[in-house]
Amino acid sequence: LAKTTQPISMDSYEGQEVNITCSHNNIATNDYITWYQQFPSQGPRFIIQGYKTKVTNEVASLFIPADRKSSTLSLPRVSLSDTAVYYCLGPLDSSARQLTFGSGTQLTVLP
Amino acid sequence: EPEVTQTPSHQVTQMGQEVILRCVPISNHLYFYWYRQILGQKVEFLVSFYNNEISEKSEIFDDQFSVERPDGSNFTLKIRSTKLEDSAMYFCASSPGMGLAGYTDTQYFGPGTRLTVL
Repeated sequence: LAKTTQPISMDSYEGQEVNITCSHNNIATNDYITWYQQFPSQGPRFIIQGYKTKVTNEVASLFIPADRKSSTLSLPRVSLSDTAVYYCLGPLDSSARQLTFGSGTQLTVLP
Repeated sequence: EPEVTQTPSHQVTQMGQEVILRCVPISNHLYFYWYRQILGQKVEFLVSFYNNEISEKSEIFDDQFSVERPDGSNFTLKIRSTKLEDSAMYFCASSPGMGLAGYTDTQYFGPGTRLTVL
């Protein structure tokens, strides 16, 4: 199971682009990287998943460089409602189906 | 968009009492999960369920816990004799199918049940 490391907290202002980087040095060849978002008193919500290069959806972009030892979640033009905890997750191992959440990154968007 | 629902949203119980937390997963999903989150702490995996049996469970999921899918739609978590330390948010999740090696099957979480044990 890939161990992930990400900053504990980040602050940003409305309208800015936010990049949250996660390191996963021991990622295996087949591992995907997944990001979830959690608002206070709500369940985690899937944001994006990727294997390499760049993945984009309506919410975010995910950049994974060629060595795949890190990934960057990019949130364009954040608003106050993007204030949440963002989790970078390694994959399920071949036998486990649980998601292993770390402490995540608390993103606070300021007016 | 289909979503996972959970009832009740808040449950208050006395220590030693039994509680049943209920979930309705997304209808065509095959895998079901329970997680918990103690206030201010990480989301922790409890158990996964597939084909009417437990697939995996964590060390938290001891003999006091059980899960059941009593009909085609509900998925329940029972805590037989609650302890103070069981106070937490309990999240149900479901996913559509099998995750391939390295690939994480997207899990869809419900809004949670806040369990308070007095």
